[in-house]
Amino acid sequence: RKEVEQDPGPFNVPEGATVAFNCTYSNSASQSFFWYRQDCRKEPKLLMSVYSSGNEDGRFTAQLNRASQYISLLIRDSKLSDSATYLCVVNGENAGNMLTFGGGTRLMVKP
Amino acid sequence: DAGVIQSPRHEVTEMGQEVTLRCKPISGHDYLFWYRQTMMRGLELLIYFNNNVPIDDSGMPEDRFSAKMPNASFSTLKIQPSEPRDSAVYFCASSEGLAGETQYFGPGTRLLVL
Repeated sequence: RKEVEQDPGPFNVPEGATVAFNCTYSNSASQSFFWYRQDCRKEPKLLMSVYSSGNEDGRFTAQLNRASQYISLLIRDSKLSDSATYLCVVNGENAGNMLTFGGGTRLMVKP
Repeated sequence: DAGVIQSPRHEVTEMGQEVTLRCKPISGHDYLFWYRQTMMRGLELLIYFNNNVPIDDSGMPEDRFSAKMPNASFSTLKIQPSEPRDSAVYFCASSEGLAGETQYFGPGTRLLVL
């Protein structure tokens, strides 16, 4: 089983739609969770951290379910500029609690 | 701050040639990471350094790959000899700490081995 698993998509949604991505992780001891965004032919960049109580940043909401070991990202009122790959990131099982990146979920927002 | 700097941005070489990728981390960051990204395997951690010392190189695919960090502001990833299956985007990232710390990525080096 992969340490961090995501549905690769693509998710094709119209502008204005609400879309949600899920991610599951295998290490129950993980303490740090993030969503990164990667635009086509660009480097990954931090979108937001995920806190136990859930957190919101504008149109983006991240939630953590420790019991089920999954993380979600909700994007409301999708914009064309939201088209990207969203990477779920967890501090993993390997040495030093390294960050482990999921394979990413690709989102395409259409006019 | 200029962010993480990588060079070259693109590299096309022939099988068997030596390839050297370079990285300058963000000043003050104690950790430096080298990743490889392909469509098939996603983002893979190759090696990381803490205060210029290699800590975990278990992700380095084979002996053809080597990495060094001679000082806090410079690191290299070398492939010798290169093979077509090494074609990928190689990212360097840096962070202030490990768990719970944001990693900042450079723009990457797109490597094509013919």
